[in-house]
Amino acid sequence: EVQLLESGGGLVQPGGSLRLSCAASGFTFSSYAMSWVRQAPGKGLEWVSGFSGSGGSTYYADSVKGRFTISRDSSKNTLFLQMNSLRAEDTAIYYCAKVLIAGTTFRGFDPWGQGTLVTVSS
Amino acid sequence: QSALTQPASVSGSPGQSITISCTGTSSDVGGYDFVSWYQQHPGKAPKLMIYDVSNRPSGVSNRFSGSKSGNTASLTISGLQAEDEADYYCGSFTSSTTLKFGGGTKLTVL
Repeated sequence: EVQLLESGGGLVQPGGSLRLSCAASGFTFSSYAMSWVRQAPGKGLEWVSGFSGSGGSTYYADSVKGRFTISRDSSKNTLFLQMNSLRAEDTAIYYCAKVLIAGTTFRGFDPWGQGTLVTVSS
Repeated sequence: QSALTQPASVSGSPGQSITISCTGTSSDVGGYDFVSWYQQHPGKAPKLMIYDVSNRPSGVSNRFSGSKSGNTASLTISGLQAEDEADYYCGSFTSSTTLKFGGGTKLTVL
């Protein structure tokens, strides 16, 4: 069974940094693209960043480009999101998600983790 | 980047069919057959219901179907059931090599 478990969320002051982790199991981690998607309280989904499968390419939403960095450690089956220069509008539940089809990056996310809450406030 | 356009809410009675639209541009929905749909129950993570416009992942009921015409994609749920009450989001690959979601649609089963 595929499982994704996020961690690392919490309360951080504006301008601060946080590193999220997503521990994956149940599939060949290095063969599948992964993404981070966030959801502000009471709001809709917003794609944040993606990491391709074997190619190692990274992609970012304009809203986080230059502030967030996605990476992965295939030896530990873990996806990361380093978040710097955090703003109040970054407050959200952050989900990691696996792409459905190996060799693709954006064609459907399945499954999703349970999410980790990031709150940016002074 | 503005979100894809979805109706804020739709409703239907048990057994009926409903359709949720998702409108974008030629740079996203209209330009690629990479539209997906997600179901989200309150307090839960989203679940993939449709990918590549009209394909169902294993385990998803055939009551869910997807289609696309021009810049608008649609999700149809037939034989509505109480458990279908949830928020639904469309997502599309974009020409900027990103993913864009719709604003979400709240489905109420009357």
